[in-house]
Amino acid sequence: GENVEQHPSTLSVQEGDSAVIKCTYSDSASNYFPWYKQELGKRPQLIIDIRSNVGEKKDQRIAVTLNKTAKHFSLHITETQPEDSAVYFCAAGTGGGNKLTFGTGTQLKVEL
Amino acid sequence: DVKVTQSSRYLVKRTGEKVFLECVQDMDHENMFWYRQDPGLGLRLIYFSYDVKMKEKGDIPEGYSVSREKKERFSLILESASTNQTSMYLCASSFSQTEAFFGQGTRLTVV
Repeated sequence: GENVEQHPSTLSVQEGDSAVIKCTYSDSASNYFPWYKQELGKRPQLIIDIRSNVGEKKDQRIAVTLNKTAKHFSLHITETQPEDSAVYFCAAGTGGGNKLTFGTGTQLKVEL
Repeated sequence: DVKVTQSSRYLVKRTGEKVFLECVQDMDHENMFWYRQDPGLGLRLIYFSYDVKMKEKGDIPEGYSVSREKKERFSLILESASTNQTSMYLCASSFSQTEAFFGQGTRLTVV
């Protein structure tokens, strides 16, 4: 089955700096790559996603890049703010049923 | 607003009990999922379903079963609860290759 690895497990940045989280996947059939943000005590919520026919997608301060050949994708957050502090999960979607396999999460802390 | 509702926020059960966790979604999503969330391990897929009465094992199905008799409802069953099943359980639903919406989670403690 699909295996998604996510790094780093914790990331601390200064407010205004950029943050990058990286994920790799194993199943070349995976074709959908979402990123979720989970604030403390809350449910995960989608922040951005990308499909396998696209190499990059941007939404304001958030961008995701996908390298299908290398089977890795990354989340980039620019101009970080304290409210960006949360756990971020990457995931890979496989098959028509969209089985979603998640990474182990990255605890991002944005310090003032 | 999409709603995914889990029947309980907190549950305490005894070892050996049969436990039912219920999840209902109101968006006519074809896909439904059960994950468990443990610190440092992320979200691990237990089972998922892509249609009524259809189910597939995820990465950690041992000790669990599921039921999907109606499109909007997906149940997770712990046949004989054990202490290592103490965890946060999250249900989610989606259309294929689109956003998965999560329920609020059920924190299950097995004593």
